[in-house]
Amino acid sequence: EAGVAQSPRYKIIEKRQSVAFWCNPISGHATLYWYQQILGQGPKLLIQFQNNGVVDDSQLPKDRFSAERLKGVDSTLKIQPAKLEDSAVYLCASSSRLLSYEQYFGPGTRLTVT
Amino acid sequence: AQSVTQLGSHVSVSEGALVLLRCNYSSSVPPYLFWYVQYPNQGLQLLLKYTSAATLVKGINGFEAEFKKSETSFHLTKPSAHMSDAAEYFCAMTRAGKSTFGDGTTLTVKP
Repeated sequence: EAGVAQSPRYKIIEKRQSVAFWCNPISGHATLYWYQQILGQGPKLLIQFQNNGVVDDSQLPKDRFSAERLKGVDSTLKIQPAKLEDSAVYLCASSSRLLSYEQYFGPGTRLTVT
Repeated sequence: AQSVTQLGSHVSVSEGALVLLRCNYSSSVPPYLFWYVQYPNQGLQLLLKYTSAATLVKGINGFEAEFKKSETSFHLTKPSAHMSDAAEYFCAMTRAGKSTFGDGTTLTVKP
């Protein structure tokens, strides 16, 4: 069974530039999560999708972050414009209610904003 | 609001010693509870999970955790630490489909 795929693995941009991350979840997993993990901290949920609908985006900075999940499969997270404090690892995870919501994580994208 | 607290951001043990990583949760009803491990430059990997069945849960790599409702705790243990256990460990809870993670505990294993 293929795992959660993310790309790119690393990205360096200057502040005020834009960036996009891509995630392909495990086949059949209806729930998809995007997390921001700042060095030394636990993952912070940015947005949660159930199929292609948003379940929770209460911690997503909507003035600069956006996300979509087309057709309930792949997802894209975008930051525009980026700030220095956006430097972090962005993790994508997927889960199934049938598996008690245990989450399967991708390898993450390490973003550095200079 | 639900929350997860991991006591001790850094734990250091000698190889072969007992590993104990502490986790307390705050929730009005017993949630699903999880321990994940993260190795450098990798995503999180599930170690074990509690889903209201047996209170003592066994996971991969010799780890286990005990759910104690009266103490709202879900501490992770391993009888004998191995060098390969050095990593960051995260406790997490899920209730009503919403997940919350603790800030993690870095485990160092000394030879």
